[in-house]
Amino acid sequence: AQKITQTQPGMFVQEKEAVTLDCTYDTSDQSYGLFWYKQPSSGEMIFLIYQGSYDEQNATEGRYSLNFQKARKSANLVISASQLGDSAMYFCAMREALSGNQFYFGTGTSLTVIP
Amino acid sequence: DTGVSQDPRHKITKRGQNVTFRCDPISEHNRLYWYRQTLGQGPEFLTYFQNEAQLEKSRLLSDRFSAERPKGSFSTLEIQRTEQGDSAMYLCASSLGQGLKETQYFGPGTRLLVL
Repeated sequence: AQKITQTQPGMFVQEKEAVTLDCTYDTSDQSYGLFWYKQPSSGEMIFLIYQGSYDEQNATEGRYSLNFQKARKSANLVISASQLGDSAMYFCAMREALSGNQFYFGTGTSLTVIP
Repeated sequence: DTGVSQDPRHKITKRGQNVTFRCDPISEHNRLYWYRQTLGQGPEFLTYFQNEAQLEKSRLLSDRFSAERPKGSFSTLEIQRTEQGDSAMYLCASSLGQGLKETQYFGPGTRLLVL
């Protein structure tokens, strides 16, 4: 079974609007961390935001916030006030406490911001 | 620039040739990871070093692949007898190893094309 599922291959958003990128995960571990990375066309993966499984509040980093719903095993990324520079691939990833140091990545969502 | 660097950025080779990639992590980071990313997919874990010790290897890492981190600083990934299926982006990441919240910082990747 896939550890991380991103069901939206591509998304479009109008500049200055908010957009939600979906991520669901599969783990039997109680302790895990969830990450979102941005990958522009240049190829470099850029860390955006982290959510721990025991964190009671949703993580926020500037225009990025993580809508963490533990019971549903979802960790959606919300980007507010989209900018043209937000156009990129976005990857959700998970690290489990009992699985060593591997990161499991989803297949990504391609976001295009329309002016 | 004190980020993760990779060399070369692009490599074209003929099937059957050997190739070697280099990764220079962020200087104070003790952990170093190699990933492979094919088109339309997220990065897949290949191997991981803590200092100079190679602690985990994925089953994706066939015996044609070898990685080293001789002095606990830079790392090399060698692919022997390349095959067309090895064509991919090879990403390196480094981290400080701070538990679940450990954030991996990625380099720009080496894009390999095997003809």
